[in-house]
Amino acid sequence: QKEVEQDPGPLSVPEGAIVSLNCTYSNSAFQYFMWYRQYSRKGPELLMYTYSSGNKEDGRFTAQVDKSSKYISLFIRDSQPSDSATYLCAMSETGGFKTIFGAGTRLFVKA
Amino acid sequence: DAGVTQSPTHLIKTRGQQVTLRCSPKSGHDTVSWYQQALGQGPQFIFQYYEEEERQRGNFPDRFSGHQFPNYSSELNVNALLLGDSALYLCASRLQGVRNSPLHFGNGTRLTVT
Repeated sequence: QKEVEQDPGPLSVPEGAIVSLNCTYSNSAFQYFMWYRQYSRKGPELLMYTYSSGNKEDGRFTAQVDKSSKYISLFIRDSQPSDSATYLCAMSETGGFKTIFGAGTRLFVKA
Repeated sequence: DAGVTQSPTHLIKTRGQQVTLRCSPKSGHDTVSWYQQALGQGPQFIFQYYEEEERQRGNFPDRFSGHQFPNYSSELNVNALLLGDSALYLCASRLQGVRNSPLHFGNGTRLTVT
């Protein structure tokens, strides 16, 4: 079993839709949770960074962490064609040197 | 504010050869990690360097080695290249003094082994 599971998609939605992206994990020691966006031929770009459980909002993006269920989510409101990319969830332990990534979900937002 | 820079952007090598990839961290960052990203997969941790020492290593063979210089820049070396080493190699930097500060990535080096 992988430490982090993420549905690879692809996920196709119309412009303006609310997008929900999810990851599950098995390591209860994970405390830091991140979402990265990766455009084709580019490196991952940090979108959201949260510690422990709870919600965090930044513009059209909301990250949720439910440690009791070992489940994290990223919501994108009013999705735009420019949001079309691969979204990677990532997590790490306190004091950990390595960050573990999901396989990424490919998102297509149709104009 | 300079972000993470990597060179070269693309590289084609023959099986059995050796390759060196280079990375300059984001300004103010002192820790460099290397990741391998195969097509359609998430990045896989290779190793992390801090204070010119390898601090942790992922599940990669000894053919993968690295170095960090006093100016915090880093190199990734891969010996005896295999076809399966073809991937995007990502360098990421962070500030070690800030607990679990997130990684900032460069745009990677695309390595093709033929």
